[in-house]
Amino acid sequence: GENVEQHPSTLSVQEGDSAVIKCTYSDSASNYFPWYKQELGKGPQLIIDIRSNVGEKKDQRIAVTLNKTAKHFSLHITETQPEDSAVYFCAALMNRDDKIIFGKGTRLHILP
Amino acid sequence: EPEVTQTPSHQVTQMGQEVILRCVPISNHLYFYWYRQILGQKVEFLVSFYNNEISEKSEIFDDQFSVERPDGSNFTLKIRSTKLEDSAMYFCATSPTGTGREQYFGPGTRLTVT
Repeated sequence: GENVEQHPSTLSVQEGDSAVIKCTYSDSASNYFPWYKQELGKGPQLIIDIRSNVGEKKDQRIAVTLNKTAKHFSLHITETQPEDSAVYFCAALMNRDDKIIFGKGTRLHILP
Repeated sequence: EPEVTQTPSHQVTQMGQEVILRCVPISNHLYFYWYRQILGQKVEFLVSFYNNEISEKSEIFDDQFSVERPDGSNFTLKIRSTKLEDSAMYFCATSPTGTGREQYFGPGTRLTVT
């Protein structure tokens, strides 16, 4: 089955700097890659997603990139702000399934 | 903005007891999911549900678990005889599409089995 690896597990960046979180997936049949943000005491919130026919997608300060050949995808947050502090999960979905396979999460700390 | 809601927010139960966790989906969503997250671990898929039937389930979703949509609005997860290792956050997710995409998660129910 699909396996999603996520790095780093913890990331601290200075406010205003950029943060990058990287993920790899194992099954080349995966074709949809959502990113979720989870704040303390809340459920995962879908913040951006990318489909396998696209290499990059941007939404304001957030961008995702996908390298299908290498089975890598990344989340980029620019001009980080205190409210970006949270746990971020990458995930993958295979074409023949409807279950999302999550990575282990990255705890992002934005330092003042 | 419409949201998925879940009740209760926290449930404490004794081992061997039955629990029912409830979810109210976003109104035009027809595809429903349960996930769980053991403290400090990744979110894990349990089951997907559409048209009053289970679409897919994981190996975690054994005979102790069941799901139903009893009244056309609530979507429930029942654990028949809870075990200590069932302690986790349980998240309901709903989607307007049948592709598995665009899953929106509720705030979760923290289940503590003592």
